[in-house]
Amino acid sequence: NAGVTQTPKFQVLKTGQSMTLQCAQDMNHNSMYWYRQDPGMGLRLIYYSASEGTTDKGEVPNGYNVSRLNKREFSLRLESAAPSQTSVYFCASSDGQVFQPQHFGDGTRLSIL
Amino acid sequence: GDSVTQMEGPVTLSEEAFLTINCTYTATGYPSLFWYVQYPGEGLQLLLKATKADDKGSNKGFEATYRKETTSFHLEKGSVQVSDSAVYFCALSPYNTDKLIFGTGTRLQVFP
Repeated sequence: NAGVTQTPKFQVLKTGQSMTLQCAQDMNHNSMYWYRQDPGMGLRLIYYSASEGTTDKGEVPNGYNVSRLNKREFSLRLESAAPSQTSVYFCASSDGQVFQPQHFGDGTRLSIL
Repeated sequence: GDSVTQMEGPVTLSEEAFLTINCTYTATGYPSLFWYVQYPGEGLQLLLKATKADDKGSNKGFEATYRKETTSFHLEKGSVQVSDSAVYFCALSPYNTDKLIFGTGTRLQVFP
């Protein structure tokens, strides 16, 4: 009953440090997504991947890179962390068909000092 | 562009009260509409969905009807419980895509 698994759950970084957030899904979904959640702003899409080997920018991609390692895994990298990237990050997946919902992980709470 | 507007919270209710959380949308074509719920410390869970006009989504006593004439998808529950305390997100998926556009979320607090 794993669904979408994110690691780590919590992380504190110093400004300028780099870090990779990991996400894996076991539902054989084609599409995967990274969002950030900030107070009063809902969820905003950072990057998404419609299939293995493809990635596209979402609404707020600056400062991030992604890698769709295989069908299961989709990682998000911060090359040089900034305080503005303090947020809760959610990974999601879907089977890529219209009308179908996305399934979310439990989130990674990231603080940049 | 496509967007979702939700009522600001928090919504504070006593147990067994009637709940309405308003959601309106702007979209071209015929989007799919969703309500997600986020319990403290957890990710979002799909609560219900509707994919065409006049569809009613329902789950766990919650209901929402896709109203194209008023571009609305209001969430309702006849009798809330303390365990319903959470943040509720309205979202739309633009026509012919599986992407999601979220509202800002509405926090519901239910007191015994």
